[in-house]
Amino acid sequence: SQTIHQWPATLVQPVGSPLSLECTVEGTSNPNLYWYRQAAGRGLQLLFYSVGIGQISSEVPQNLSASRPQDRQFILSSKKLLLSDSGFYLCAWSAPIVGGSGELFFGEGSRLTVL
Amino acid sequence: QQPVQSPQAVILREGEDAVINCSSSKALYSVHWYRQKHGEAPVFLMILLKGGEQKGHDKISASFNEKKQQSSLYLTASQLSYSGTYFCGTEDNYGQNFVFGPGTRLSVLP
Repeated sequence: SQTIHQWPATLVQPVGSPLSLECTVEGTSNPNLYWYRQAAGRGLQLLFYSVGIGQISSEVPQNLSASRPQDRQFILSSKKLLLSDSGFYLCAWSAPIVGGSGELFFGEGSRLTVL
Repeated sequence: QQPVQSPQAVILREGEDAVINCSSSKALYSVHWYRQKHGEAPVFLMILLKGGEQKGHDKISASFNEKKQQSSLYLTASQLSYSGTYFCGTEDNYGQNFVFGPGTRLSVLP
């Protein structure tokens, strides 16, 4: 069966510090991968998505970046965090199907607080 | 572009029905529906791939009008466990870009 792991679950970082969130998927190959951010009480904002190794599409220009060094690994990074980067970060994967995406499976989320 | 959801919030008594709407300004290949409990990740409810398709899941069903680029989620005889925020998700280009609506907060009271 397929599983998705995301870590760390919680982190508190000072403004200007770097960030690295990691997500790995098991039990499937060539998944579509996504990073979403959710501010408190708000909706899910798509940050990055990837359809293959090294293929990253950015939806929101900002100080975040993403990489996909391996087929089932997706990393979200920042060189210098801003206060506005605080939020709940969710990694998700889906199996590409004809005509669109299948169900999105979400990781447990990473709650980031920037002070 | 993000789809639009209505209403923003709804409060029900247990056993009452509710409808949540989702619409987009662009052509849709599919519509997904998810429910998120506070502090948790969203959980998949259903996906609609064809225009006019209606799917059901226990007492939760949904319709998709491809021509109008609209979908509706129907919650019948609501239960306390239905409380949460409901998101519709839409995609284009065969799943390469998946965006969610702003969410509808549903509260079911005893």
